[in-house]
Amino acid sequence: DGGITQSPKYLFRKEGQNVTLSCEQNLNHDAMYWYRQDPGQGLRLIYYSQIVNDFQKGDIAEGYSVSREKKESFPLTVTSAQKNPTAFYLCASSFGLAGVATQYFGPGTRLLVL
Amino acid sequence: GQQLNQSPQSMFIQEGEDVSMNCTSSSIFNTWLWYKQDPGEGPVLLIALYKAGELTSNGRLTAQFGITRKDSFLNISASIPSDVGIYFCAGQGRNYGQNFVFGPGTRLSVLP
Repeated sequence: DGGITQSPKYLFRKEGQNVTLSCEQNLNHDAMYWYRQDPGQGLRLIYYSQIVNDFQKGDIAEGYSVSREKKESFPLTVTSAQKNPTAFYLCASSFGLAGVATQYFGPGTRLLVL
Repeated sequence: GQQLNQSPQSMFIQEGEDVSMNCTSSSIFNTWLWYKQDPGEGPVLLIALYKAGELTSNGRLTAQFGITRKDSFLNISASIPSDVGIYFCAGQGRNYGQNFVFGPGTRLSVLP
């Protein structure tokens, strides 16, 4: 099956702890994205990567970090500097040039703070 | 960053009714995408639009890319209970490079 997988589905973080959310895709897409979703709001872009070994900050990158060592993988670390991490995190990937692109989402990871 | 405007914010309809919702922006977009999201799940792509004036259908769903390139519309015909969920629009335009911006969603409830 082609698609995007995220793990875990639920994640609990203690105060001062860093946690890492996994995102893997086997769609052979070049671009990958991380979004944060809060209740009643649209998706906000955290980080994105257009190619391997390169990534850019989105609108709300503070307190988060990413890496893109492989085309298939784009893990997101929520650091202790992120003071309000409770949210639903969505990973996405896309193909195509601007103007003909399509973006697909993974099933999401819900992060809760203990 | 900018977000799109979606209306209505929520709607309650009777099963069998048709539904219309729209998405607007102050910027011109080259691509419009429509998604449906069920609770606790990731958004699922419904329809992609790439050309001003384009009208595309996917079963009972029809979406249109507005002529002004600043809006898009989604219609659902003969709604059924499984249509319940949140519908998001997303736009991609020159102002945002290859990234998409998202609307806040329209929450649809279908009454039996």
